[in-house]
Amino acid sequence: DAGITQSPRYKITETGRQVTLMCHQTWNHSYMFWYRQDLGHGLRLIYYSAAADITDKGEVPDGYVVSRSKTENFPLTLESATRSQTSVYFCASSEVGDTQYFGPGTRLTVL
Amino acid sequence: SQKIEQNSEALNIQEGKTATLTCNYTNYSPAYLQWYRQDPGRGPVFLLLIRENEKEKRKERLKVTFDTTLKQSLFHITASQPADSATYLCAPLNDYKLSFGAGTTVTVRA
Repeated sequence: DAGITQSPRYKITETGRQVTLMCHQTWNHSYMFWYRQDLGHGLRLIYYSAAADITDKGEVPDGYVVSRSKTENFPLTLESATRSQTSVYFCASSEVGDTQYFGPGTRLTVL
Repeated sequence: SQKIEQNSEALNIQEGKTATLTCNYTNYSPAYLQWYRQDPGRGPVFLLLIRENEKEKRKERLKVTFDTTLKQSLFHITASQPADSATYLCAPLNDYKLSFGAGTTVTVRA
């Protein structure tokens, strides 16, 4: 039972580069979410998806793009990475939108 | 603006004692509130959900209360153990999405 996985677990990139963080879940959950976690801010919602081909902005969507062509995958792309996007990114999934199951996180550093 | 405040200080307690964590929220009227546990370097893990019409919920040594008048939830860990050491996150439902507090770090001394 793989559950929810994220890749890569660690990534170092340079300012201006495009980066894609992957998220895959095996539960066939309808809802998927992307958060970033920074010291002092807690988890902040970037984007979420209620089903395949349905996505919506969260609290901090600027600079990020998502897609959801398949229920099980929800990639997050930083189109032109900036230092302020250095953070830990968590993906989560939920069957009906309430209880969320989180992945292990991706630690991203933008130099 | 909407705000979630958890104990600003970390909590250090002796094994066997009860830890009480506070979550206050403003400008929300959440239909329910969740609590999660997060260990260093890992994703949050769901613990408990309490609905607005429930005053109290229990799960093993954990107890959560929800006072919609005070706009506050209390999270209790009774008979605490060193394995309970972690950061605990409060998450009220906000416009059908969860919003998370910054968390309270609990350290249980043996």
